[in-house]
Amino acid sequence: AQSVTQPDIHITVSEGASLELRCNYSYGATPYLFWYVQSPGQGLQLLLKYFSGDTLVQGIKGFEAEFKRSQSSFNLRKPSVHWSDAAEYFCAVGAPLTRAGANNLFFGTGTRLTVIP
Amino acid sequence: NAGVTQTPKFRVLKTGQSMTLLCAQDMNHEYMYWYRQDPGMGLRLIHYSVGEGTTAKGEVPDGYNVSRLKKQNFLLGLESAAPSQTSVYFCASNKPQTYEQYFGPGTRLTVT
Repeated sequence: AQSVTQPDIHITVSEGASLELRCNYSYGATPYLFWYVQSPGQGLQLLLKYFSGDTLVQGIKGFEAEFKRSQSSFNLRKPSVHWSDAAEYFCAVGAPLTRAGANNLFFGTGTRLTVIP
Repeated sequence: NAGVTQTPKFRVLKTGQSMTLLCAQDMNHEYMYWYRQDPGMGLRLIHYSVGEGTTAKGEVPDGYNVSRLKKQNFLLGLESAAPSQTSVYFCASNKPQTYEQYFGPGTRLTVT
């Protein structure tokens, strides 16, 4: 069965410091992996995605993530955090619902990021 | 281009009342989804639709009904609301053969 684990419920970093958010997944086939960000009171915005190919993927807002099949991980990183990055971050794995291409996204429980000045 | 919109943004219901949440998308997407988000549980799929007039159950469909009468709209209904349905509801949509889903801003529902 598909599942996603985000071990850190809450992380606090100083503005300008580097960031790594952890994500481990369980999926039988080649995974489709995503990171979404949710600002307070807002919907989910896609940061980046991995389908195949280069295991280091670049996203918006200066984020990147690295797919490591041997560790079943897809950790999100940013070299220098800005105050506006404070939000909740969700990792997700996609699994097909139908042969036509509809899919379900299995989400982790999220990591809340606090940025201190 | 508004993307995915949801109506209403907030709602408080009493146990046993009914209501309908509306999701609309202007991206001409074939597929639409309803998720619920609960603290400590991430998002879970309630129902989905692969086209006008078709719907199917997701992980947690009990207590909900859906309809897709028009391609751009996906309605989620609660016939008799229960406190366990207090949640934030998100609608999403995408095109065939793409896994990336586009999400609406959510509806926060409280059932007392």
